[in-house]
Amino acid sequence: EAGVAQSPRYKIIEKRQSVAFWCNPISGHATLYWYQQILGQGPKLLIQFQNNGVVDDSQLPKDRFSAERLKGVDSTLKIQPAKLEDSAVYLCASSSDSNTEAFFGQGTRLTVV
Amino acid sequence: GDSVTQMEGPVTLSEEAFLTINCTYTATGYPSLFWYVQYPGEGLQLLLKATKADDKGSNKGFEATYRKETTSFHLEKGSVQVSDSAVYFCALREGAAGNKLTFGGGTRVLVKP
Repeated sequence: EAGVAQSPRYKIIEKRQSVAFWCNPISGHATLYWYQQILGQGPKLLIQFQNNGVVDDSQLPKDRFSAERLKGVDSTLKIQPAKLEDSAVYLCASSSDSNTEAFFGQGTRLTVV
Repeated sequence: GDSVTQMEGPVTLSEEAFLTINCTYTATGYPSLFWYVQYPGEGLQLLLKATKADDKGSNKGFEATYRKETTSFHLEKGSVQVSDSAVYFCALREGAAGNKLTFGGGTRVLVKP
């Protein structure tokens, strides 16, 4: 079974630029999560989707971050404009439903300079 | 809101030593508890879980018991190996919080030969 796929693996951008991350969850998984992991800290949930609907986006900085999962499969997370403090690893995870184990991708490491 | 507190690292041990990583949690309901592990260069992987009080999760020689009375889920291994060097994250998921997965800050473990 293929795991959660994320791209790109690494990205370096200048502040005020925009960036997008892509996630392809495990086939058939209805729940998809985006987490932000700042160096030395635990992952923090940004947004949780159930199929193509948003379950929780309470910690998503909506003035600059946006995410979509239009067909209930792939998802894209965008940052515009980026700030220095957005430097982190962005993790995507999926689960068959919100009660079962979440499987994580390898993440995208973003560096904002 | 829900939160997870775990001991700060790094924890440095010799091979075959006993490992304990403390984890305590705050939740309004009855969460499920997890330990995830992140090996160098890899994504987060579920190590073990427990879904109700007094349950013991175990995997790869690691164990953790869900203690409702002390709101704890400490991770233990009787004899560590160099290959156990990784960052360990304690996490909880609570239905009342929309099944959001909340992580602690992580504990880095380094096992020396």
